Amino acid sequence: QVQLQVSGPGLVKPSETLSLTCTVSGGSISGYYWSWIRQPPGKGLQWIGYIFDTGNTNYNPSLKSRVSVSVDTSNNQFSLRLTSVTAADTAIYFCARADWNDGYDSWAQGALVTVSS
Amino acid sequence: DSVLTQSPGTLSLSPGERATLSCKASQGISSSYIAWYQQRPGQAPRLLIYGGSNRATGTPDRFSGSGSTTDFTLTISRLEPGDSAVYYCQRYGSSWDTFGQGTKVEIK
Repeated sequence: QVQLQVSGPGLVKPSETLSLTCTVSGGSISGYYWSWIRQPPGKGLQWIGYIFDTGNTNYNPSLKSRVSVSVDTSNNQFSLRLTSVTAADTAIYFCARADWNDGYDSWAQGALVTVSS
Repeated sequence: DSVLTQSPGTLSLSPGERATLSCKASQGISSSYIAWYQQRPGQAPRLLIYGGSNRATGTPDRFSGSGSTTDFTLTISRLEPGDSAVYYCQRYGSSWDTFGQGTKVEIK
């Protein structure tokens, strides 16, 4: 059974870049697309963006100018970079596996990232 | 791109009752790309329904999805205490995989 785990700093300073990695184990990166989702404390889910194993990406228009997602198929990982962060970017960040026809079927537990000086 | 609006914001019901959760799309969407997720406190979301009406592995048959075009529904036929959670609808398989804002289900 596939498992996903988010890793990265839990604290980022305002104006700096948030970087997270999602490691996929028990399955291949190929054949799916891989998403980042976040959830501010006490609020709902916000889709950030996704990447195919081919490297093609799509991003939430509200974040597009600051976000990039990349994939490392050799290490079964994909990553998120969010630049120029503010307190509004404080959230639990989830990564998930998605099938074009079957939805987001596997999720990481998520990691809290706090933006604060 | 379509915005998903869920209602009600909170649903408070007793065990054994039926819960009906609504998800309305601002533009028409194929039901083939509508999913429903359950999120319990402190946990990651869990896929319940995909393709509008298909139960994911492990989803009890008390949960059912229906609808088309702009109106989609998640029904929980006989509520159990463990169903207390926030439920999200989602449009996936697109260039903008958006979520609704969620409906909180409370069990009295």
